[in-house]
Amino acid sequence: GAVVSQHPSWVICKSGTSVKIECRSLDFQATTMFWYRQFPKQSLMLMATSNEGSKATYEQGVEKDKFLINHASLTLSTLTVTSAHPEDSSFYICSASRPSGRALEQYFGPGTRLTVT
Amino acid sequence: GIQVEQSPPDLILQEGANSTLRCNFSDSVNNLQWFHQNPWGQLINLFYIPSGTKQNGRLSATTVATERYSLLYISSSQTTDSGVYFCAVEYRNDYKLSFGAGTTVTVRA
Repeated sequence: GAVVSQHPSWVICKSGTSVKIECRSLDFQATTMFWYRQFPKQSLMLMATSNEGSKATYEQGVEKDKFLINHASLTLSTLTVTSAHPEDSSFYICSASRPSGRALEQYFGPGTRLTVT
Repeated sequence: GIQVEQSPPDLILQEGANSTLRCNFSDSVNNLQWFHQNPWGQLINLFYIPSGTKQNGRLSATTVATERYSLLYISSSQTTDSGVYFCAVEYRNDYKLSFGAGTTVTVRA
C-alpha cells in the first residue's frame, strides 16, 4: 500500500506558458500533501503544504501566485506553474501523508521533470 | 531551524560489502524517515524510525533519539542499492520534513 502517482513524469514547455502537475494517492486518503523541488545533485526543498479543502501554506521565498496549489479531494493535489520561465526548470516531487503515531509518514510520487525553453 | 547532517557525502562500495550511513540532527524530533532515491528520481521509503531499531531484509536502521543520531546499515550490498540515501526529520509538530543533503552510494560489480 501507500502508492503515490504523479502526472506527467516529464514536460517541456515554452517560456510564458503554464504547466499543471497532478499528484494522486492511489490506495489511501491523504489529508495533507506536500510539494518539493529538487535541483540537480541537491536535496529536496519543501515548497508548500497542501491540506484538503483549504488553502495551501507556502514556505518562505516561494511565490504563491506563481506556484498555484489546489487540493480538491483526499486523493488529489495539483501544482500549476504559471507563466513558467527557464529558472523554473526543476524536478518537482509530491508526497502524500498518512498518520503514524503523533507524526505523518510521507510517501513520495515519482516526480515530474519540468524543462522550460 | 534544525540542522540535519549526513555522512559520508559519497560512498563507493564493492558488491557484497557492508556499510553504515549516519544522520545527525540538532534538535529533538517527532519523526525520522530514511529514503532511497533511485537513479530515476523516485524516493522509496526505507524506514520510519523516530527511535529504536528496525530491520528489513539487508537493510536495518537504528535511531538513538536522546543522542540525536540515526544509522542506516546496508549489508551485502548489491548494484541496485546505488543511489542517494536521504535522512529526513520532523521536529516542529507541523508535519514538515527537513532533509539532509544525502549520501550518494555507488555499488560496483
